[in-house]
Amino acid sequence: GESVGLHLPTLSVQEGDNSIINCAYSNSASDYFIWYKQESGKGPQFIIDIRSNMDKRQGQRVTVLLNKTVKHLSLQIAATQPGDSAVYFCAERAAGNKLTFGGGTRVLVKP
Amino acid sequence: DTAVSQTPKYLVTQMGNDKSIKCEQNLGHDTMYWYKQDSKKFLKIMFSYNNKELIINETVPNRFSPKSPDKAHLNLHINSLELGDSAVYFCASSQDRGDYYGYTFGSGTRLTVV
Repeated sequence: GESVGLHLPTLSVQEGDNSIINCAYSNSASDYFIWYKQESGKGPQFIIDIRSNMDKRQGQRVTVLLNKTVKHLSLQIAATQPGDSAVYFCAERAAGNKLTFGGGTRVLVKP
Repeated sequence: DTAVSQTPKYLVTQMGNDKSIKCEQNLGHDTMYWYKQDSKKFLKIMFSYNNKELIINETVPNRFSPKSPDKAHLNLHINSLELGDSAVYFCASSQDRGDYYGYTFGSGTRLTVV
């Protein structure tokens, strides 16, 4: 079957350093991708999106890179802050606007 | 104003009981969803409704029955609860704008079956 992402690994980052979260997807027909952030006790919140006709998109302190050749998505967070500690999910859009989520990556920011 | 609200936030119940989770969105979105998040944080879609019509029905036991009385509400009823139903259930909504296909999620309902 088709799948997105990884089972929940953990990334420990020193405050102020940059973070890179990776995601692999398998549906080559996906045309849209999103990164979500989920803090403890809350629902996933939108961070940034990218269409399949782009390879890079930047937001405030975040950058998403898309490599369709190897079906790889990454989220870069600049100058990671304590408030960035959360679980991050990538998601891909399939037919019927169904979002399929990856397994998530936990980011722990050390002071 | 809460965009997508779910009630209750916590639900503890015994095996075999029947329970409902309610969801309401005030965003004017046409499509609503139920997702289940397991203990390993994996998010899996269960159902999707567009303007009160069921459009996605993943492989979910018949004990789960969604109901959408109008496009702003999508409730989830679960019969004969089992231990394996323990999870966090998220409601979400979306509106296809042609340039953004993201979902707005509620804060979740943590269901614990004992």
